[in-house]
Amino acid sequence: EAQVTQNPRYLITVTGKKLTVTCSQNMNHEYMSWYRQDPGLGLRQIYYSMNVEVTDKGDVPEGYKVSRKEKRNFPLILESPSPNQTSLYFCASSLSLQAGHEQYFGPGTRLTVT
Amino acid sequence: QQPVQSPQAVILREGEDAVINCSSSKALYSVHWYRQKHGEAPVFLMILLKGGEQKGHEKISASFNEKKQQSSLYLTASQLSYSGTYFCGTGSNFNKFYFGSGTKLNVKP
Repeated sequence: EAQVTQNPRYLITVTGKKLTVTCSQNMNHEYMSWYRQDPGLGLRQIYYSMNVEVTDKGDVPEGYKVSRKEKRNFPLILESPSPNQTSLYFCASSLSLQAGHEQYFGPGTRLTVT
Repeated sequence: QQPVQSPQAVILREGEDAVINCSSSKALYSVHWYRQKHGEAPVFLMILLKGGEQKGHEKISASFNEKKQQSSLYLTASQLSYSGTYFCGTGSNFNKFYFGSGTKLNVKP
């Protein structure tokens, strides 16, 4: 089954404790992206990647890191989480956004930083 | 650069029609429409590209006015399953992507 998977689905952590949210897709998509969703603000792009080893900042990259060492995986790293990073996070992938292909979303990771 | 959606919320009775609008202050390369149900991930509805190409579900229709940098999503003969939050998203030729703040649609029996 074609899908985007994220782990964990729920995470409660404390300020400053490094964490990684994994994202994997099995559709051989070149484009992958991370979004955060907050009430009233819609989905905002954190980072995106057009291919292996090619990543770039989205609209709200502060406090986050990403890597794309393999085509299928695109982990999101919070080196020192803070309470303002409490949010619902979605990973998405697309064959090629520039060529007009849709994004497929993972199920989401609800992160709480206390 | 976030596109602006209107209205923010709509309440319909089954069978009624609705239009959701999306506009941008920047030149649009493409417009995407997604629907999100509570607690779930967004699901693709339609893509509209410069030049008139469209791709999406048969029961959904939309328009894209490149000159005005606007798009509209048309929901006709609404069903209960149409309820959810609708997001437009706009892509640039640099692969950044911006979603609107969403339109909540509630279809009642």
